[in-house]
Amino acid sequence: DGGITQSPKYLFRKEGQNVTLSCEQNLNHDAMYWYRQDPGQGLRLIYYSQIVNDFQKGDIAEGYSVSREKKESFPLTVTSAQKNPTAFYLCASSETSGRLRNIQYFGAGTRLSVL
Amino acid sequence: AQKITQTQPGMFVQEKEAVTLDCTYDTSDPSYGLFWYKQPSSGEMIFLIYQGSYDQQNATEGRYSLNFQKARKSANLVISASQLGDSAMYFCAMRGLNTGTASKLTFGTGTRLQVTL
Repeated sequence: DGGITQSPKYLFRKEGQNVTLSCEQNLNHDAMYWYRQDPGQGLRLIYYSQIVNDFQKGDIAEGYSVSREKKESFPLTVTSAQKNPTAFYLCASSETSGRLRNIQYFGAGTRLSVL
Repeated sequence: AQKITQTQPGMFVQEKEAVTLDCTYDTSDPSYGLFWYKQPSSGEMIFLIYQGSYDQQNATEGRYSLNFQKARKSANLVISASQLGDSAMYFCAMRGLNTGTASKLTFGTGTRLQVTL
């Protein structure tokens, strides 16, 4: 089954701790994305990557870091600099092409809470 | 810059009835794509339907259709013959051509649809 796997489903962070959210895809997509979703709001882009070893900041990158060492994997680290990390985090992937009809496919999300 | 506005925070519809979820957008890109996603309580975002700004016909996918009015900058989602399983959050999103090869999407705040018996 092709798809995107996010883990863990629930994550708790202590004060001053860095935590890493996992995202793996087997769709052979070049592009991957991380979004943050707060209650009553839409998704906001944190980081995205169009190719291995390259990534760009999205709209709300402060307090987050990513790496893209493998095509299948795009982990997100929520650092201690992120003062309000409680949110639902969604990972997505897509092909890279000039076509507008580039569908993003999403994982099931990770819910992060602060202890 | 792009902006998506969904003005209906919540909607109710009776089973088997049709419902329209509103979406208006703003962009300076001459070419753009509009997307609708469904988010059930489980959290995953499910792609429903796509409309290109230069498509001649309104998009349809099964019970989903998109009422695209370019002059009004609106892309409303119509769900026909609603089912209990349609109860979810629905998000409108868009991508402009100037976002490059990556499919960077701008999302609205969503509409929560509740289907009743």
